[in-house]
Amino acid sequence: QVQLVQSGAEVKKPGASVKVSCKASGYTFTSYDINWVRQATGQGLEWMGWMNPNSGNTGYAQKFQGRVTMTRNTSISTAYMELSSLRSEDTAVYYCARVSWELLGSVALWGQGTLVTVSS
Amino acid sequence: EIVLTQSPGTLSLSPGERATLSCRASQSVSSSYLAWYQQKPGQAPRLLIYGASSRATGIPDRFSGSGSGTDFTLTISRLEPEDVAVYYCQQYGSSRTFGQGTKVEIK
Repeated sequence: QVQLVQSGAEVKKPGASVKVSCKASGYTFTSYDINWVRQATGQGLEWMGWMNPNSGNTGYAQKFQGRVTMTRNTSISTAYMELSSLRSEDTAVYYCARVSWELLGSVALWGQGTLVTVSS
Repeated sequence: EIVLTQSPGTLSLSPGERATLSCRASQSVSSSYLAWYQQKPGQAPRLLIYGASSRATGIPDRFSGSGSGTDFTLTISRLEPEDVAVYYCQQYGSSRTFGQGTKVEIK
């Protein structure tokens, strides 16, 4: 079955880093870009960036430049999103999502989300 | 960065009524690169419409999308109780951005 399964919830202190994983199954991992999107409680969706699992190329939203790193391990079909210098405003659910170019670049497959809580 | 502004913020309608949701872009978006998503509490977003007007697999035909340039619309022809959700538009023609969402409620 085609799915993205994310790692579990994290609690981090301000200034720390967090690394969220996203394991793909049921399809060829290197054939589809992965996006990362976050959502603070009660707030809207915020696009963070993209990664091409085949080349490793990435592109980040300006807001996160310098603080976010997206990587992958193709041998285990897993994408990673690492966010550094965490602050309380980074408390949110983080989603990975697969881009489908057959759907003109929209996203039809989402992970279940990972809650990251930043608190002292 | 293309800014998407959705209106209204909240839409409260009776079952069977027509819901019209607007998404306005700060600059022109290629119609091929505009999508609509539905999100219910505690769930990941669900793709409804891509390419401004194409329904995703399994989406009921009461959902339709239209528009071009800077003005796009999602229409729910006959509102059902299960349509209660927040709806987001997203453009992916120039980087990617989401609108702030429209909450649809049942009266």
